[in-house]
Amino acid sequence: GQNIDQPTEMTATEGAIVQINCTYQTSGFNGLFWYQQHAGEAPTFLSYNVLDGLEEKGRFSSFLSRSKGYSYLLLKELQMKDSASYLCAVTSGGSYIPTFGRGTSLIVHP
Amino acid sequence: KAGVTQTPRYLIKTRGQQVTLSCSPISGHRSVSWYQQTPGQGLQFLFEYFSETQRNKGNFPGRFSGRQFSNSRSEMNVSTLELGDSALYLCASSSGQGPGELFFGEGSRLTVL
Repeated sequence: GQNIDQPTEMTATEGAIVQINCTYQTSGFNGLFWYQQHAGEAPTFLSYNVLDGLEEKGRFSSFLSRSKGYSYLLLKELQMKDSASYLCAVTSGGSYIPTFGRGTSLIVHP
Repeated sequence: KAGVTQTPRYLIKTRGQQVTLSCSPISGHRSVSWYQQTPGQGLQFLFEYFSETQRNKGNFPGRFSGRQFSNSRSEMNVSTLELGDSALYLCASSSGQGPGELFFGEGSRLTVL
């Protein structure tokens, strides 16, 4: 099976930088997704990492270390609208179906 | 293009009843996956349909079932509802050909009394 861990809740200040960590244990790792979900809304895709390293997309960056079973999502220049749940998800084996972690609720305050 | 549409958005049922939820995927997408989301367990995979066939299945009891039609629209059914079935049921569509982004609907929130 798969085990995905991420912090339950984090708080940060508007304009700051926050790093949301995700660790996973799985066999046959394929890739790792990050999704954002605002309260009462559908999850939306943020990033997909297959290879080690950092991928940057605007204010958001995602990092992957396959040997350590570790990823993080980095959010820069935080805005109030970034308050949301951030979901880490992993695909493994021959399946394209991602297994999700329980999500990290990020609260951005002024 | 239109996104993933789920109906109904909200519904209330009582224990023992059954419920059917509907999902219309993005045009051209042939894969539809269903997830159950609860505060305690997060997003848990129910099943995936591709070209009218169940291709993957999660660890849920047989009370949870689904199907997909030739136009890729999908339905899921939960029979003999239990209080613990109260959750947000999310549908996601994708091309189904290789790993890739899932496009989620806004979900159907089921409350079982």
